[in-house]
This record gives sequence, C-alpha cells and structure tokens, in this order.
Amino acid sequence: DTGVSQNPRHKITKRGQNVTFRCDPISEHNRLYWYRQTLGQGPEFLTYFQNEAQLEKSRLLSDRFSAERPKGSFSTLEIQRTEQGDSAMYLCASSLGPPAGGLYEQYFGPGTRLTVT
Amino acid sequence: GQQVMQIPQYQHVQEGEDFTTYCNSSTTLSNIQWYKQRPGGHPVFLIQLVKSGEVKKQKRLTFQFGEAKKNSSLHITATQTTDVGTYFCAGGTYKYIFGTGTRLKVLA
Repeated sequence: DTGVSQNPRHKITKRGQNVTFRCDPISEHNRLYWYRQTLGQGPEFLTYFQNEAQLEKSRLLSDRFSAERPKGSFSTLEIQRTEQGDSAMYLCASSLGPPAGGLYEQYFGPGTRLTVT
Repeated sequence: GQQVMQIPQYQHVQEGEDFTTYCNSSTTLSNIQWYKQRPGGHPVFLIQLVKSGEVKKQKRLTFQFGEAKKNSSLHITATQTTDVGTYFCAGGTYKYIFGTGTRLKVLA
C-alpha cells in the first residue's frame, strides 16, 4: 500500500454513460498525476496538477475527459459519453514537487479498471 | 511529441543470468525514473537519475544515464524469480513520459 487510494477499483459501464473516478493522494504531496494504461503498454500521461492548478493536459486527451483537484487534495477524473476505446486501467500517482527538494518519485495508486460494454 | 522507446519488449532468462533493458528518448531529458510493475500490480518507483553519465547501483541492479541524457539502461545481475515484472523508464521534468516497457520472465 503506497498511501494513494483510488475508488472505485472496478467500473463496468455501458457505452454513452458518464463515469467519475476518485484519487486520494498522499497528504503532503502537492503533485498529482493521472495516467491511462492498456494491456501491454506503459502508463500514458493524461494530466497533472500542482496543488489545485491543472498545469497540463495531454493533447491526445479528448474533450470528454475532465479532471479536477479542488483545494489541492483529492482529485476526480470524469469521462463523459464513454466509448469502448476508453476501456483501460486509470492510474493516479502523487509526488512531492517544488518548492520541496529531493526526488519527485511518483507513488501510484492501485488503479481503477474501466470496462465499457 | 516526445517518445520514449524501450528494447527489448520481452526477455526470458534463466534464473542466474543477467538482464539488460535499454531506454531511448527522442528528446533530451532533464531526468529519468525507473519503475517496476509486477503482474497485476501498479508501477513502483526504483530510482531517479539526473546527471549526465550518472551510474547508480541498488544491490543487483545497475542504472545508467547516457552522456547526452537521451538514453538510459537498467542491468540486473544474476536474476532471481522475484525480478519478474515489467520495467519502465519514464523521462521528463514535471510530467513524465513512460517508455514502452520490457517484460522480464525468469525461468527457475
């Protein structure tokens, strides 16, 4: 257990439905990342936050995807009008960031596995 | 955009043999991180390299960062069954682009 939690762990939804995932990072971490991973591939960067500010969003990410991190604590990732191609493991990671010094190693949560039928 | 490739994609070794995976970036990296993901698990941080030509060791694992900071390698000496998993490099500064991974299988 890395201290990063994600809910739900599994989500099965029908195509066209909206889904929302939650990530609770390690409390003192100011950076939070969302990744998507499909079988046999590396984690694909989706977006990241420094505190409550969303600093970058992947250009590959459809407008159907949106993420928030109110108050710089937990984060939510929403997918609207899901498609079968959205089926994947959605990973959240947190790390320290500036102005803290040291390594900015990422601690990953267990992920939310999304299946779109 | 930035791409990070790893070779080989798969590697099967006999227990006790050495293993090396190579990571190559299309752009210069400010730093590189290595992660291990066990089957069914999530990536776990192994190490971060920052300096050009840097070499770090963790027991049987040796990590190198290339002089041009565009490539890196992970070498495992005398593999054990506990080394099974997929090894990813991730390059970046504030956001990290993960490599394609090398899946290691160790045959007892």
